[in-house]
Amino acid sequence: EVQVVQSGPEVKKPGESLKISCRGSGYNFTNYWIGWVRQKPGKGLEWMGVIYPGDSDTRYSPSFQGQVTISADKSINTAYLQWSSLKASDSAMYYCARHGGPYKWFDPWGQGCLVTVSA
Amino acid sequence: QSALTQPPSASGSPGQSVTISCTGTNSDIGTFTHVSWYQQRPGKAPRLLIYEVNKRLSGVPDRFSGSKSGNTASLTVSGLQFEDEADYYCASYAGRNELGLLFGGGTTLTVL
Repeated sequence: EVQVVQSGPEVKKPGESLKISCRGSGYNFTNYWIGWVRQKPGKGLEWMGVIYPGDSDTRYSPSFQGQVTISADKSINTAYLQWSSLKASDSAMYYCARHGGPYKWFDPWGQGCLVTVSA
Repeated sequence: QSALTQPPSASGSPGQSVTISCTGTNSDIGTFTHVSWYQQRPGKAPRLLIYEVNKRLSGVPDRFSGSKSGNTASLTVSGLQFEDEADYYCASYAGRNELGLLFGGGTTLTVL
């Protein structure tokens, strides 16, 4: 079964760093892009960026460029999303999903990782 | 780059058909076939229904269909069932790699 499984919920303080993960299984991890999507409470989906684990080619949405870093470790079939200094406005659900291409469909989706940033 | 435009809500009775629109520009939906549709039930992760405008993912009921005309893509749900009540999002390639992927604002479908 093809699936992506994300790390658990996080509670952090403003200014702290964070790295959340997304592990793919049931398919050749290096041959598919992995994308990240943000969803704030009660709001819609926002595309953040994607990475191709095979060569670490990474693309970012202009809205998230410089705000987050996407990376991957193909030796353990895992992609990451990280922040160096969190803000309260980063509080949201973050989804990863296998991408059919850098700007194509997402399937399957991870279960989501809830990040809460509060003093 | 603005998000794609969807109506905030749609509704129908069981057995009826409902169509949800997703309007972009001739730079994105109007030119490319990278249009996909997602269903998100409350408290759950989104789920892919339709990709490349009108291809149904394996396992998705054939009550769901996608189409495109000009700068507008559409998702039609035929034979509405109560389980179809959810949020629906469209997505499309923005037309330039540096802009990436665009999502619609989402449509809440209510089955009356």
